[in-house]
Amino acid sequence: EAGVAQSPRYKIIEKRQSVAFWCNPISGHATLYWYQQILGQGPKLLIQFQNNGVVDDSQLPKDRFSAERLKGVDSTLKIQPAKLEDSAVYLCASSSTGGQGGRSFFGPGTRLTVL
Amino acid sequence: GNSVTQMEGPVTLSEEAFLTINCTYTATGYPSLFWYVQYPGEGLQLLLKATKADDKGSNKGFEATYRKETTSFHLEKGSVQVSDSAVYFCALLSTGANNLFFGTGTRLTVIP
Repeated sequence: EAGVAQSPRYKIIEKRQSVAFWCNPISGHATLYWYQQILGQGPKLLIQFQNNGVVDDSQLPKDRFSAERLKGVDSTLKIQPAKLEDSAVYLCASSSTGGQGGRSFFGPGTRLTVL
Repeated sequence: GNSVTQMEGPVTLSEEAFLTINCTYTATGYPSLFWYVQYPGEGLQLLLKATKADDKGSNKGFEATYRKETTSFHLEKGSVQVSDSAVYFCALLSTGANNLFFGTGTRLTVIP
């Protein structure tokens, strides 16, 4: 079974530039998550999709971050414009259910460095 | 609110040593508890989980028991191997919630 795919794996940009990350979840998984993992911290949820609808985006800084999941499959996360504090690893995860006890499968992450 | 407090690392052990990584939590209701592991260059993987009090999760020689009275879910392994070197994250999924709350992670290095 193919896992969660993410690209790019690494990205270096200057502050105020824009960047986009892509995620392809496990086939058939209805729920997709984007997490932000700052160095030395645990992952923090940014946004959760159920199919192509947003379930929770309460932690997403909507003035600069946006995400979409077209057709309920792939997803993109965009930052525009980037700030220094956005340097982190961005993790995509998917699960077959979004409810209690559901198991999430994580991608390898995209490491973003903002200079 | 929900929170997870993990033992700070890094932890360095010799091969075949006993491992304990402490994890305590704060949550409303009756959460499910998880340990995830992140090997170098790889994504987070579920290591084990427990969904109710007194449950014991186990996998690959690791185990953790859901202790409601102490709100803890400590990870243990009797004899670590070099291949266990990784970052370990404790996490919870609270009642009615949709997403995981993670601790800060503990880096384990096992030396031959």
